[in-house]
Amino acid sequence: EAQVTQNPRYLITVTGKKLTVTCSQNMNHEYMSWYRQDPGLGLRQIYYSMNVEVTDKGDVPEGYKVSRKEKRNFPLILESPSPNQTSLYFCASGVSGINTDTQYFGPGTRLTVL
Amino acid sequence: AQSVTQPDIHITVSEGASLELRCNYSYGATPYLFWYVQSPGQGLQLLLKYFSGDTLVQGIKGFEAEFKRSQSSFNLRKPSVHWSDAAEYFCAVLVGVDSGYALNFGKGTSLLVTP
Repeated sequence: EAQVTQNPRYLITVTGKKLTVTCSQNMNHEYMSWYRQDPGLGLRQIYYSMNVEVTDKGDVPEGYKVSRKEKRNFPLILESPSPNQTSLYFCASGVSGINTDTQYFGPGTRLTVL
Repeated sequence: AQSVTQPDIHITVSEGASLELRCNYSYGATPYLFWYVQSPGQGLQLLLKYFSGDTLVQGIKGFEAEFKRSQSSFNLRKPSVHWSDAAEYFCAVLVGVDSGYALNFGKGTSLLVTP
């Protein structure tokens, strides 16, 4: 089954404790992306990757890091989480090519930073 | 910047009634437009998309959307709503950013379906 998976689905942590949210896709997509969803703000892009070893900032990259060492994985790293990073996070993947893209979303990770 | 606006934060319709969710876009050229649905506690599911061609687009679950350039709109419609359609709906436009692209989402419309 074609899918995007994220782990963990729910996470409660404390300020400053490094964490990683994993994202994996089995569709051989070149493009992957992270979004955060906040009430009243919709979804905003954090980082994206056009292919292995190619990453770039989205609208709200501050406080986040990503890596793309393999095509299927695109982890989101919070080196020192803060309460304002409490949010619902979505990973997405798609084929490259702006005129043909459809992005497929993971189930989401709900993060609470105390 | 390219963006979409969803004017309605909440909409309530009766089961069996027709539905129209509004989406207005801001973009100079022909936009690539999407509608996604998010059921409670779930991820985002693509309902339909418009890239070019026929301005009336059919999607899954009985939804359709019409692209109207003159009105800068891409409204989502369904002739008869089911209780299972209660969810949050997001309109989005695909935009180029630096070396790649992103989906710019509207803030969403929450749909409540009453018996």
